[in-house]
Amino acid sequence: GQNIDQPTEMTATEGAIVQINCTYQTSGFNGLFWYQQHAGEAPTFLSYNVLDGLEEKGRFSSFLSRSKGYSYLLLKELQMKDSASYLCAVMDSNYQLIWGAGTKLIIKP
Amino acid sequence: EAGVVQSPRYKIIEKKQPVAFWCNPISGHNTLYWYRQNLGQGPELLIRYENEEAVDDSQLPKDRFSAERLKGVDSTLKIQPAELGDSAVYLCASSLGGGATDTQYFGPGTRLTVL
Repeated sequence: GQNIDQPTEMTATEGAIVQINCTYQTSGFNGLFWYQQHAGEAPTFLSYNVLDGLEEKGRFSSFLSRSKGYSYLLLKELQMKDSASYLCAVMDSNYQLIWGAGTKLIIKP
Repeated sequence: EAGVVQSPRYKIIEKKQPVAFWCNPISGHNTLYWYRQNLGQGPELLIRYENEEAVDDSQLPKDRFSAERLKGVDSTLKIQPAELGDSAVYLCASSLGGGATDTQYFGPGTRLTVL
């Protein structure tokens, strides 16, 4: 079967750095997406990785290792507004997105 | 540019009643998706359209759910009759195409409560 694993919840301090991990087992691989979802709102696109390595976009970076079936989202200089759920999703060989359950990130002052 | 529009935002119905959700995708987006999201879970694909053709409806419970996308633009998702387990957020998303690099953009969702 297809499976995406990510921690259920993480807590971090304002101004700090946090890394959210995602491991996956899917039927084929056509890229990995990270989305941010604030409570009661729609998911919004953060990043897309299809090749191994690190993609940096402002305070957010995303890393991919296809051989290990592993990705992480790195958030720097955390702000209170970063409190949200972060969803990892993999596009499989049928171009269907397989979603993880999301990691709820709690930022404390 | 306007994003994905969905209505209603909230709906409360009694079980066994019908309900319908409407979605207007981003202009020019050929691919439209309907997802269901339960609390604390990721979205679950119900159906995907390429223009007006449903290309993936394997996860749609066809005994009670139906969808249509007339003229390849707006779409409607219907449940008849609704069951208690249908309570969830129903998300509509659209993308330019259905390929790997076509980012999906989501609407605000419809929160359905079945009593």
